Amino acid sequence: KNEVEQSPQNLTAQEGEFITINCSYSVGISALHWLQQHPGGGIVSLFMLSSGKKKHGRLIATINIQEKHSSLHITASHPRDSAVYICAVRGAGNQFYFGTGTSLTVIP
Amino acid sequence: DAGITQSPRHKVTETGTPVTLRCHQTENHRYMYWYRQDPGHGLRLIHYSYGVKDTDKGEVSDGYSVSRSKTEDFLLTLESATSSQTSVYFCAIQRGPRGNEQFFGPGTRLTVL
Repeated sequence: KNEVEQSPQNLTAQEGEFITINCSYSVGISALHWLQQHPGGGIVSLFMLSSGKKKHGRLIATINIQEKHSSLHITASHPRDSAVYICAVRGAGNQFYFGTGTSLTVIP
Repeated sequence: DAGITQSPRHKVTETGTPVTLRCHQTENHRYMYWYRQDPGHGLRLIHYSYGVKDTDKGEVSDGYSVSRSKTEDFLLTLESATSSQTSVYFCAIQRGPRGNEQFFGPGTRLTVL
């Protein structure tokens, strides 16, 4: 069983489109993390959320604690947004759980 | 970034040989983690450390051992490498308000032939 589920697994979009990636989790958490990984690259932190909504440039992340769900939105998508986006949650103690990632390709 | 380096960045080795991967941090964080990343599995915890000489197993610890003799270094050893241990290995540290964030090293790509 996976404590963190992401959808979709793969996503292809045209440049300029609005993109949504979803994350659902089944454990109690103290925080949720969105990570970005470019092909062959390292893992970069985008957001850490424990409630509400955060915005960095064209990226917006929301979390609904009651529904155990988070979304990552990308407005005006660009080919450089092509990457794998990973949802991670901090559960009890110091245990972190990770989704398997959503692979995004933005076509010019 | 969080001052995390990993070495080596790439390694090719043969089945049955011992391999040690090193994670080094410069910020004196207490918690350090080793993960492996494989297609279709996401990141899976191998071992973690909560202080010098204090370590514990993760979900995929079989075939791996760790050591932490200094705060800044966390070593992952494959005692006798197998082809199933071909993977990308990431080290991470825990930090941020209430320790809710993890920051990752650049990764080590290990191939076991």
